[in-house]
Amino acid sequence: ETAVFQTPNYHVTQVGNEVSFNCKQTLGHDTMYWYKQDSKKLLKIMFSYNNKQLIVNETVPRRFSPQSSDKAHLNLRIKSVEPEDSAVYLCASSFSQNTLYFGAGTRLSVL
Amino acid sequence: DAKTTQPDSMESTEGETVHLPCSHATISGNEYIYWYRQVPLQGPEYVTHGLQQNTTNSMAFLAIASDRKSSTLILPHVSLRDAAVYHCILRVRRTEGADRLTFGKGTQLIIQP
Repeated sequence: ETAVFQTPNYHVTQVGNEVSFNCKQTLGHDTMYWYKQDSKKLLKIMFSYNNKQLIVNETVPRRFSPQSSDKAHLNLRIKSVEPEDSAVYLCASSFSQNTLYFGAGTRLSVL
Repeated sequence: DAKTTQPDSMESTEGETVHLPCSHATISGNEYIYWYRQVPLQGPEYVTHGLQQNTTNSMAFLAIASDRKSSTLILPHVSLRDAAVYHCILRVRRTEGADRLTFGKGTQLIIQP
């Protein structure tokens, strides 16, 4: 049973809209991540966040922003989606930067 | 993080033991070897990891070459549920700074009944 929970499972939207994805982990981990998995199944990190600092992958467009209320939650907001944002967005958590545990992902389709 | 090379796909039959190879010729001394697997509509699932010594757990046995330039994930008595894409990844377990973990295409393991 997964202990990293993502909602929604799927989301379809139009270019220019704002979307927000939720992620919660119940593992007591102190670090959370967002990854993007493209159509070729390549998975790349977007953000990592713990109670000390937010680390941003410099290749991530500025329309993406993480939002955290506490160390168990890390949401992802996309201010104005574009067609190339269609992908699977995976949330993960770990204790410090050790073994990652992933959620099932949110599949975004931008029309 | 250094890159890894894996075959695109491998095929086996239920009940057999599968050996999944991974080449990492430019591995650094502080890089761990991690294995994850992923099935459709799910996120990657942790399988095992190691640094220098062979490791074993309930899912698999990880054999690491003495020069650490290659490793093999051994799955005993596979079942249909073991069909997945298996990713071999190198990762520095940093205490701070950016985590650059990147997954490649991995090996698609096909299991026949």
